[in-house]
Amino acid sequence: GQNIDQPTEMTATEGAIVQINCTYQTSGFNGLFWYQQHAGEAPTFLSYNVLDGLEEKGRFSSFLSRSKGYSYLLLKELQMKDSASYLCAVRDAGNYQLIWGAGTKLIIKP
Amino acid sequence: EAQVTQNPRYLITVTGKKLTVTCSQNMNHEYMSWYRQDPGLGLRQIYYSMNVEVTDKGDVPEGYKVSRKEKRNFPLILESPSPNQTSLYFCASSSGGRTYEQYFGPGTRLTVT
Repeated sequence: GQNIDQPTEMTATEGAIVQINCTYQTSGFNGLFWYQQHAGEAPTFLSYNVLDGLEEKGRFSSFLSRSKGYSYLLLKELQMKDSASYLCAVRDAGNYQLIWGAGTKLIIKP
Repeated sequence: EAQVTQNPRYLITVTGKKLTVTCSQNMNHEYMSWYRQDPGLGLRQIYYSMNVEVTDKGDVPEGYKVSRKEKRNFPLILESPSPNQTSLYFCASSSGGRTYEQYFGPGTRLTVT
C-alpha cells in the first residue's frame, strides 16, 4: 500500500535548528513536496524535490533520498512564526495525484 | 491576484439539507481537487478533476458529488449531509509544469448537526 510517515509533533527553541523527517512507501514516485500549514489556514507550498540531494531556500532546506524513501525538512534560525504543521506529500508517477502524510505539528518555544 | 476562492468559509447546517460549496480559480489550471482535513488524519482527497467534464473519485468520495462544467469552477455538493461530514474542506488547483505545485483555497469549515 501507499504510506507516508512523519512524527506527529516536535518542539524546538526559537533561534535553533530543527529537522522534520518523512519516510514514504509508494507504488510510484514523481516528486516530494513540503507544505506549511498554520492552524485553521490553507497549506502553502515550501519546497519540491524530485532528484536526490539538498535544495536550499533561505532558512528552509529539503533533502531527498529516493533509494531510502526518505526526506527531511530543515528549518534554521527558528522564529515563533514557524510554529505550524508541516505536511509531506509524494506525487504518484505520471499524474497529478498527491499522497499526503498526516503532518508534523512544530511548536516553537521562546 | 492569482488565487483559489471558496464559499462559504463557515457553514453550520442540519442533517439531510443539501448544500454546495463553491470553488473557483483564476489561474487557468487544468487540475482541481477537493480535500477534507480531520485531526490526526491529514488531507484526504474526495474528488479530483483533470479538466472540464473529467472528474474522478479520490480516497473518500462517499456522500459527495462534484461537477466541472467550466475550467475555473469545481463545486462540491453534499446531497444529504451527515454529522460524519463535519470537517475542514479545501479546494486546490494545479497546472502542468516542473513542480505541479497545488494552490489551496482558504478552506470551508462545515458543521453538520
